[in-house]
Amino acid sequence: GENVEQHPSTLSVQEGDSAVIKCTYSDSASNYFPWYKQELGKRPQLIIDIRSNVGEKKDQRIAVTLNKTAKHFSLHITETQPEDSAVYFCAAKVEGGGADGLTFGKGTHLIIQP
Amino acid sequence: ETGVTQTPRHLVMGMTNKKSLKCEQHLGHNAMYWYKQSAKKPLELMFVYNFKEQTENNSVPSRFSPECPNSSHLFLHLHTLQPEDSALYLCASSPPRGQSYEQYFGPGTRLTVT
Repeated sequence: GENVEQHPSTLSVQEGDSAVIKCTYSDSASNYFPWYKQELGKRPQLIIDIRSNVGEKKDQRIAVTLNKTAKHFSLHITETQPEDSAVYFCAAKVEGGGADGLTFGKGTHLIIQP
Repeated sequence: ETGVTQTPRHLVMGMTNKKSLKCEQHLGHNAMYWYKQSAKKPLELMFVYNFKEQTENNSVPSRFSPECPNSSHLFLHLHTLQPEDSALYLCASSPPRGQSYEQYFGPGTRLTVT
């Protein structure tokens, strides 16, 4: 089955700086890669996703890049703000495959220092 | 609120008890999921239901028994649990294939097994 590795487990950055979280996946058939944000005591929520037919996707201060050959994808947050503090999870799945569930990474606790 | 509700929000049970977790969505989604979230571990997919049919059981012990009577409701029946089963249990739902692959999570049930 799919295995998703996520690094780092904790990331502390100064407010205004950029943050990068990296994930690798094992199943070359995976073609859908979402990122979820989970604030303390709240449910995970989708913030951005990318499909394997594109290499990069951007939404305001958030961007995701995908390298299919190397089987890794990354989340980039620019001009970080205090409200960006949360746990971020990457995930992978095969769209249209028999299993519809997501395989998640272990999460990255992002801390924005004022 | 994302439209996915879970009850109860907190549950404390002994190892010999039988209890059930409930999940409900009225978003018109046809797929529903149970995930387990433990500290220091990734979100673990437990079960997947598509149109009330179970399509995935991720090697979950039989002391966890899911039930999906219709596309809007999902239950997780618990019996003879172990202390290591203490975790946050998250329900999620997603739209029919081709519309979106976003999974909408409920707030979770915080389960403590004593």
